[in-house]
Amino acid sequence: DIQMTQSPSSLSASVGDRVTITCQASQDISNYLNWYQQKPGKAPKLLIYDASNLETGVPSRFSGSGSGTDFTFTISSLQPEDIATYYCQQYDNLQYTFGQGTKLEIK
Amino acid sequence: EVQLVESGGVVVQPGGSLRLSCAASGFTFDDYAMHWVRQAPGKGLEWVSLISWDGGSTYYADSVKGRFTISRDNSKNSLYLQMNSLRAEDTALYYCAKDIGYSGATPTHLDYWGQGTLVTVSS
Repeated sequence: DIQMTQSPSSLSASVGDRVTITCQASQDISNYLNWYQQKPGKAPKLLIYDASNLETGVPSRFSGSGSGTDFTFTISSLQPEDIATYYCQQYDNLQYTFGQGTKLEIK
Repeated sequence: EVQLVESGGVVVQPGGSLRLSCAASGFTFDDYAMHWVRQAPGKGLEWVSLISWDGGSTYYADSVKGRFTISRDNSKNSLYLQMNSLRAEDTALYYCAKDIGYSGATPTHLDYWGQGTLVTVSS
């Protein structure tokens, strides 16, 4: 099974900061990588699919990049409403794996 | 508006069984694959199971294979998860989620989620 290693596990940043989260797959997954946001007490929300495609309605300050085994999720200018836990998720051969999550806090 | 409403979560003893349901509305249910994803208290997300649009293909995480069964009734716009031989480590909030995969397309990402139903396995 493919394992996903997400880092950091937690992150504190100031409003307006550029924030980057990484996700590494244990083997080549091409661009089969998605990113979700989960706010406290809420269901996850899809932000980025297929590594770099912005889901409809998601603000353009969110972006994703990468392919193969190494992927990056970026918030270009952190806003107070971005406080959440972020998860990467891979899909390969009809098996799906989430990263451990990155809890983002405002400094 | 897409809505997914889970139900059936309760407190159950180890070794017991439980059936979760998910009522779907706001989209053509029988066009899309569906997932179950769970989240243990204070922990991350864990994919549990996938069923194809027509119910003909099912897939499971190793942690639940042989114990859980996913099914759907397209005439009732409903998704189910039959959970047998429950263990303490199955305690979690169980979400149903719609996949973007349309008809026979490969399911790839989960674009709508319910609010979850809590399953607690404890004696």
